[in-house]
Amino acid sequence: AQKVTQAQTEISVVEKEDVTLDCVYETRDTTYYLFWYKQPPSGELVFLIRRNSFDEQNEISGRYSWNFQKSTSSFNFTITASQVVDSAVYFCALRVNFGNEKLTFGTGTRLTIIP
Amino acid sequence: NAGVTQTPKFRVLKTGQSMTLLCAQDMNHEYMYWYRQDPGMGLRLIHYSVGEGTTAKGEVPDGYNVSRLKKQNFLLGLESAAPSQTSVYFCASSSTMETQYFGPGTRLLVL
Repeated sequence: AQKVTQAQTEISVVEKEDVTLDCVYETRDTTYYLFWYKQPPSGELVFLIRRNSFDEQNEISGRYSWNFQKSTSSFNFTITASQVVDSAVYFCALRVNFGNEKLTFGTGTRLTIIP
Repeated sequence: NAGVTQTPKFRVLKTGQSMTLLCAQDMNHEYMYWYRQDPGMGLRLIHYSVGEGTTAKGEVPDGYNVSRLKKQNFLLGLESAAPSQTSVYFCASSSTMETQYFGPGTRLLVL
């Protein structure tokens, strides 16, 4: 069975600070995909990134970066120079290669950026 | 490009009433899913479909039924609503092995 743990329930930082959201996953499959989704106050789920288990390169997209480490089963998300628009709930999710393609979600981290 | 749409956006039901939630996607995706989101529990899969005419149970299927008569539509039915089914319902779709894209959600309140 798969499991995703987001231990940080809520985080608050002052605008322009950097913040890292943690994600730890569990799976016995060797091929899998990891995702991050953003849920702003309006409620929709916005796809941010997908990573497969064979690609451990870190990724940067503007102020967002992701650190994937198989050795620690972690897929952490860092926002640099945070902005008020980054306030949202962020979900980490896992999908294994074979099966019903379902996503296993973490419980989410609520990020509040204080102006 | 509409992506994934859900109807209705919000609904209030009385215990025992029935209703159907409609999900539509215009991306020609094979896979479609229904999730529910409850506070502190993330999203949990209710039912899913890997193609037109097929459906399967997810983690929390009890009290729900689904149908996929057309590739672009995935319906979620509640035959006899219960207060425990108060939740936000999300539909998603994907191509095989690809990212799941979500609809805007339906807020359901069962009194």
